[in-house]
Amino acid sequence: AQSVTQLGSHVSVSEGALVLLRCNYSSSVPPYLFWYVQYPNQGLQLLLKYTTGATLVKGINGFEAEFKKSETSFHLTKPSAHMSDAAEYFCAVSNSGGSNYKLTFGKGTLLTVNP
Amino acid sequence: GAGVSQSPSNKVTEKGKDVELRCDPISGHTALYWYRQSLGQGLEFLIYFQGNSAPDKSGLPSDRFSAERTGGSVSTLTIQRTQQEDSAVYLCASSYRLAGGYEQYFGPGTRLTVT
Repeated sequence: AQSVTQLGSHVSVSEGALVLLRCNYSSSVPPYLFWYVQYPNQGLQLLLKYTTGATLVKGINGFEAEFKKSETSFHLTKPSAHMSDAAEYFCAVSNSGGSNYKLTFGKGTLLTVNP
Repeated sequence: GAGVSQSPSNKVTEKGKDVELRCDPISGHTALYWYRQSLGQGLEFLIYFQGNSAPDKSGLPSDRFSAERTGGSVSTLTIQRTQQEDSAVYLCASSYRLAGGYEQYFGPGTRLTVT
């Protein structure tokens, strides 16, 4: 079984400040990890993913995340928030084993960016 | 190129009626997935297709839910005798292959409201 915990259902930052969205996962096999963003009334868009290799992953719009196996974490960061980053962010896990088609999502973190 | 499309974008139905939700995946994508997004449950995996086959239906909430895919392309999710707890956004996604490392591309969703 796999699960995802996103700490903080709502994060508020000022424009230009660091964005840090936390994600911890549980998986019985090596995980594949994803961050998706959802803008209002839209579907999910992939920001970045970790499958194998380099543990620091860079994605679109200046976001990056680091896979830390010892901490079972995959936190999302961006050095400087922009107003356009306001959206809901979902961390997801699938596994590299037999049932690796299924994405299990966290509950989501709503990011607010204040001017 | 064209992304995943879903229709209708919004559906309001009376309790007890049947509804059909349609998904057109990205051309050439062999895998197709249905998820449900609701306030109480977050994002839940419902079912996946590899080609026209759905090997695992265990994610469907009840036997009122069914899905099919034809021609390795369009998929329909049918909910019979709708209940108020079926109100949610139904998201469809497709990926090039059925494997955890492949990105799932999401459609904009169908918002279902059962009155």
